[in-house]
Amino acid sequence: DTAVSQTPKYLVTQMGNDKSIKCEQNLGHDTMYWYKQDSKKFLKIMFSYNNKELIINETVPNRFSPKSPDKAHLNLHINSLELGDSAVYFCASSQTHGVRTFGSGTRLTVV
Amino acid sequence: GENVEQHPSTLSVQEGDSAVIKCTYSDSASNYFPWYKQELGKRPQLIIDIRSNVGEKKDQRIAVTLNKTAKHFSLHITETQPEDSAVYFCAPLNSGYALNFGKGTSLLVTP
Repeated sequence: DTAVSQTPKYLVTQMGNDKSIKCEQNLGHDTMYWYKQDSKKFLKIMFSYNNKELIINETVPNRFSPKSPDKAHLNLHINSLELGDSAVYFCASSQTHGVRTFGSGTRLTVV
Repeated sequence: GENVEQHPSTLSVQEGDSAVIKCTYSDSASNYFPWYKQELGKRPQLIIDIRSNVGEKKDQRIAVTLNKTAKHFSLHITETQPEDSAVYFCAPLNSGYALNFGKGTSLLVTP
């Protein structure tokens, strides 16, 4: 069983579209995260939820909206996609602020 | 927030040689010091970590050393093998939730 699973693995879409990426963890962790990894491999935290509550919201355009329906899920919705949004998005989870377990990533390409 | 500097940004060694990557951080409250390895096209995965009450930790060919006074910790890989080729990230953490990754070190081990 995959510990942190995110879908889709690849996403190619046109500028201006709205898309969602889903993430689920079966580790029983209480904290989930979204990270963005650009072409230079920099890993930047975007959001963090602890027990369904938003605790970290870095400087991210408000076109990005996370939603955590329960502790095991953290989805990312992106409105009005732009070329600069192209990147690999990683979901991760941890127990409180411990070791992060990452999903396999979603490669988003905006054309 | 925590400032994290990782050096070098790229490192090329011959198989069998040792590799050392250094991570410098700014927050003296940091108390957890992990290293993650990301192979090409894959997710970041924890390879070794250390807590602030320990100066060194070893796991087979990899080790992490911590100098809390100087606020840096290092990853040591001995007898490098081609499969060690990857990007390595440090991610010092204090009691908060923000995990700021270093910018990564791309290690290439040539046969």
